[in-house]
Amino acid sequence: QSALTQPASVSGSPGQSITISCTGTSSDVGGYKSVAWYQQHPGKAPKLMIYDVSNRPSGVSNRFSGSKSGNTASLTISGLQADDEADYYCSSYTSSNVVFGGGTKVAVL
Amino acid sequence: EVQLLESGGGLVQPGGSLRLSCAASGFSFSSFAMTWVRQAPGKGLEWVSAISGSGSTTFYTDSAKGRFTISRDNSKNTLYVQMNSLRAEDTAVYYCAKDRRRAALPGDFDFWGQGTLVTVSS
Repeated sequence: QSALTQPASVSGSPGQSITISCTGTSSDVGGYKSVAWYQQHPGKAPKLMIYDVSNRPSGVSNRFSGSKSGNTASLTISGLQADDEADYYCSSYTSSNVVFGGGTKVAVL
Repeated sequence: EVQLLESGGGLVQPGGSLRLSCAASGFSFSSFAMTWVRQAPGKGLEWVSAISGSGSTTFYTDSAKGRFTISRDNSKNTLYVQMNSLRAEDTAVYYCAKDRRRAALPGDFDFWGQGTLVTVSS
């Protein structure tokens, strides 16, 4: 159960858009629709931002969007805001398990 | 309002045991799979174990198999994990999380507890 691959860090200026990638294999990201994204601020519990590749839970801003192509999922944050500065993790279902990505630190410059 | 409250963390020596609990409220506990996720200090999230709503099916990551046992008491709306043969690399904040879907298999998690710290050290 290898972790999904995410860039260590991504940065952007307020108002810009950024995209975080999450690369797996056909046994996880590429094989299932159960791909999710979580936001985690320091010292806090993770928060579900996207589920089933591209769906937003109630209450999550529409500035957050998800997509998938082959074995790579992506999270896009548009109109970057200061409060978006956090760690972001992708996850995928795989063979009766769940695997997370290594996490991406988003910095708002 | 959904609430998940973990307890039972603390300092334990290598080779020791610990049982974590997660008290749930605000939803139909027995209808949802539940999961334990851990986060080592300064590291990323790691899925550890999950259990179906009925408790009849359990899932473990490879490093937890044979050492950790997940269980639930639906009459008490409480999730547990018994951790034996603990190692230094098990040191982490352990979160319990509720699965978003009414399904037997783990998927994604829409509510999380605040976490409880387990430190394995001599």
